Amino acid sequence: GQQLNQSPQSMFIQEGEDVSMNCTSSSIFNTWLWYKQDPGEGPVLLIALYKAGELTSNGRLTAQFGITRKDSFLNISASIPSDVGIYFCAGQLLRSNTGKLIFGQGTTLQVKP
Amino acid sequence: DTGVSQDPRHKITKRGQNVTFRCDPISEHNRLYWYRQTLGQGPEFLTYFQNEAQLEKSRLLSDRFSAERPKGSFSTLEIQRTEQGDSAMYLCASSLGTEINGYTFGSGTRLTVV
Repeated sequence: GQQLNQSPQSMFIQEGEDVSMNCTSSSIFNTWLWYKQDPGEGPVLLIALYKAGELTSNGRLTAQFGITRKDSFLNISASIPSDVGIYFCAGQLLRSNTGKLIFGQGTTLQVKP
Repeated sequence: DTGVSQDPRHKITKRGQNVTFRCDPISEHNRLYWYRQTLGQGPEFLTYFQNEAQLEKSRLLSDRFSAERPKGSFSTLEIQRTEQGDSAMYLCASSLGTEINGYTFGSGTRLTVV
C-alpha cells in the first residue's frame, strides 16, 4: 500500500535548538497534516496544508507542502521541554476525498533541558 | 462537546474472547473513522462511515472485525476471537464532510490480548 517515509526516526536535542523533520512519498497528496502524539493519547493536529508550495506557521512550528506534492517538512524553532513527543506526518491521496489518511512512521523528539 | 470520546481506554482480554469498543464523535461530524496503531508505528486506516453508511474498509479489517454506526452517531468496533496480533491502540476520529482541518482523534482504546 501507499507509504510515507518519515525521517529522522528519532532526535535528541538541547532545549533552545531548532528541529526539522520531513516526509516523502512516491504518491501525490492533496493534503498534508502534521500531528503530535503524547504517550497513551490520540494524535493532536498541529498544522494542515492544502496547496502545493504552501508554507504555514503555528507559533514556533512551520510546515511546508512540497511543490511536487510528494513531500512535506515540519520545523520547530527554539525547542522547549514540552515539545517532547512523537510527531507524525499524514496525507490524503490526490484523488481521494474520503478523509482516509496515510501516516508516516513518526519522529520521536526528546529535548534535554 | 468536548471532542471525540472512546470507551474503554484500556482493555485486557484473553485470546479467543470477543471485545467491543465504542466511539462517540463530535456531535455535528458526519464522518467517523477507525484506525489501528501498533507500537512504534503510525496509525493505519481500518474503515470509515459517512453518517450510517460504511463506505470503505481496509484489507486490514479481517472477517473477525466488524464496525457499525447504526444511527449515524456513535460507532462500535467489534473484534471476534481475538488474537495476540490484535493487541494495539484503536483510534477513532471524526470530521465534518471533507473538512480535514476539523479532523479530530479520540484518545484511543488500548487493547492487550493475553
